[in-house]
Amino acid sequence: QVQLVQSGSEVKNPGASVKVSCKASGYTFTTYSINWVRQAPGQGLEWMGWINTNVGNPTYAGGFRGRFVFSLDTSVSTAYLQISSLKAEDTAVYYCARLRGAATARDPFGYWGQGTLVTVSS
Amino acid sequence: DIQMTQSPSTLSASVGDRVTITCRASQSISSWLAWYQQKPGKAPNLLIYKASTLESGVPSRFSGSGSGTEFTVTISSLQPDDFATYYCQQYNSYPWTFGQGTKVEIK
Repeated sequence: QVQLVQSGSEVKNPGASVKVSCKASGYTFTTYSINWVRQAPGQGLEWMGWINTNVGNPTYAGGFRGRFVFSLDTSVSTAYLQISSLKAEDTAVYYCARLRGAATARDPFGYWGQGTLVTVSS
Repeated sequence: DIQMTQSPSTLSASVGDRVTITCRASQSISSWLAWYQQKPGKAPNLLIYKASTLESGVPSRFSGSGSGTEFTVTISSLQPDDFATYYCQQYNSYPWTFGQGTKVEIK
């Protein structure tokens, strides 16, 4: 069965960097893009963008250009989210998610990782 | 960007109640709308896609309707497991956007 397993919680100082991993299993990794979604404490869901796992090119939503980088290691079926120059407002749970699986780009998120809490605090 | 607005933000209801949550899009999204349920500390779970198609394994007490800019999800008879937060999401055009959420709590 499809599974997305994310790395564990992180506590970082302001200005540091963090790298969150999302390991996929149960399907051919390069068939479906990986999306990233942020949820700040007590807040709603915010789509950050996606990475094409076949060619590796990322697409970022407007508020996530610059300090946020999506990357891949297809040899281990893993996607990464790196955030640099961390700020207190980056404190959130970060989810990776995969489309449900229709043969179309218009597809909802059918599979989610369990989430990774990143806490930025001095 | 397409703005998604849910109402109400919070809904107090009892087991057995019929519950309806509304989601409005700032422009037409055809039927490219999904509903998710999220419980505290857990990832969201897909309930309905393409506005009215029930995801496999989701109880039939959930139903979705609408097209264009106005959508609803209805729980025909609220069960204890249904107390959670519900989000709509449009996937008509990038950036994909979510509603702010509706918390269904015990009355």
